[in-house]
Amino acid sequence: DIQMTQSPSSLSASVGDRVTITCRASQGISNSLAWYQQKPGKAPKLLLYVASRLESGVPSRFSGSGSGTDYTLTISSLQPEDFATYHCQQYYSTPYTFGQGTKLEIK
Amino acid sequence: QVQLQESGPGLVKPSETLSLTCTVSGGSIGTYYWSWIRQPPGKGLEWIGYIYYSGSTNYNPSLKSRVTISVDTSKNQFSLRLSSVTAADTAVYYCTRERGGLGNSDYWGQGTLVTVSS
Repeated sequence: DIQMTQSPSSLSASVGDRVTITCRASQGISNSLAWYQQKPGKAPKLLLYVASRLESGVPSRFSGSGSGTDYTLTISSLQPEDFATYHCQQYYSTPYTFGQGTKLEIK
Repeated sequence: QVQLQESGPGLVKPSETLSLTCTVSGGSIGTYYWSWIRQPPGKGLEWIGYIYYSGSTNYNPSLKSRVTISVDTSKNQFSLRLSSVTAADTAVYYCTRERGGLGNSDYWGQGTLVTVSS
């Protein structure tokens, strides 16, 4: 199985901050990476796929980058509704696997 | 707008079989891959497996001996059966649609909590 390691596991930030979350795969995944946002008691919501492609309807302050084994999610200017848990997922090979999640909290 | 809705018992006894159904509305179940993903309370996400509308499946090896995913195209539904459950199978179970067979999930059900307890 491909192991996905997210960092940090939690993060405190303020509205307006620029935030970056990292996801590292245990082997190369050729940009087969998705990012999801999950709010308490809700299902995850797809934000980006193919590492950097924005899902329809997702604000442009969200962006993704990376290649090989290392990928990042950046939120350029945090808004109040962005405080949530973020998950990365590799779908390069089955079993698809997720990072452990990054909880983004208000400072 | 595609919508997915999980249904099934919220409480299952240890050693019994967990059975859930996902009903797809607002679109056809045809030509897509459909997945089950679960999340134990306070923990991360785990992919269980997927089924193509034609019936072909792919399961997580960690669960493969206990999992069956099936599809009923006439009802626009797909289902999950997980046998010999233990407390470790307690989780919120989500059904999802995979985008164009790529493996990422663009539509999710709201999730249903299944507790394994006697």
